[in-house]
Amino acid sequence: GDSVTQMEGPVTLSEEAFLTINCTYTATGYPSLFWYVQYPGEGLQLLLKATKADDKGSNKGFEATYRKETTSFHLEKGSVQVSDSAVYFCALSDRSGNQFYFGTGTSLTVIP
Amino acid sequence: GAGVSQSPSNKVTEKGKDVELRCDPISGHTALYWYRQSLGQGLEFLIYFQGNSAPDKSGLPSDRFSAERTGGSVSTLTIQRTQQEDSAVYLCASSLAAGGSYTFGSGTRLTVV
Repeated sequence: GDSVTQMEGPVTLSEEAFLTINCTYTATGYPSLFWYVQYPGEGLQLLLKATKADDKGSNKGFEATYRKETTSFHLEKGSVQVSDSAVYFCALSDRSGNQFYFGTGTSLTVIP
Repeated sequence: GAGVSQSPSNKVTEKGKDVELRCDPISGHTALYWYRQSLGQGLEFLIYFQGNSAPDKSGLPSDRFSAERTGGSVSTLTIQRTQQEDSAVYLCASSLAAGGSYTFGSGTRLTVV
């Protein structure tokens, strides 16, 4: 069945460091891929998405490219800030949209 | 409404009691989902409603869990005879159509004591 595997955390970085959170997926067909972010005490928010191969999603300095050949959708940011501290979830939605499949989440803490 | 609204935001209940959790999705969103987020765990799919179709209940962990969606809008998740392992954050999400981006509510934190 469809599934998402993402890098285990927690991840701790210094401010202005480069961030990569790995995400790979298994799916039949052509899923849409998403990154959601959950800030402390809040609900999940859509961070970015890509709906087809080679699409790049971007938002708030974060980027992820839909790589069909490697079945990956790694999240990157060139210079993290303290305010980026949150839990990040990779997810996919198959074309039927009956449900999303989420990774287990990666906790990021950015220290000044 | 402007966002997905869930109530209550926090609920503490005694083991064995029934609880009802409410989700008010974004107006016009036909798809509604319930997920459970346990401490240190990822998101666990519970149930999915799409328009007037029969719901996908494949994620409900036991027959103590049920959900309904009235009039294609508000949804209620009911947990009967709560157990301590039911303690979690219950998240509701809606989307404009199947396969679209979710908008999540802030969740209901359920604690069973």
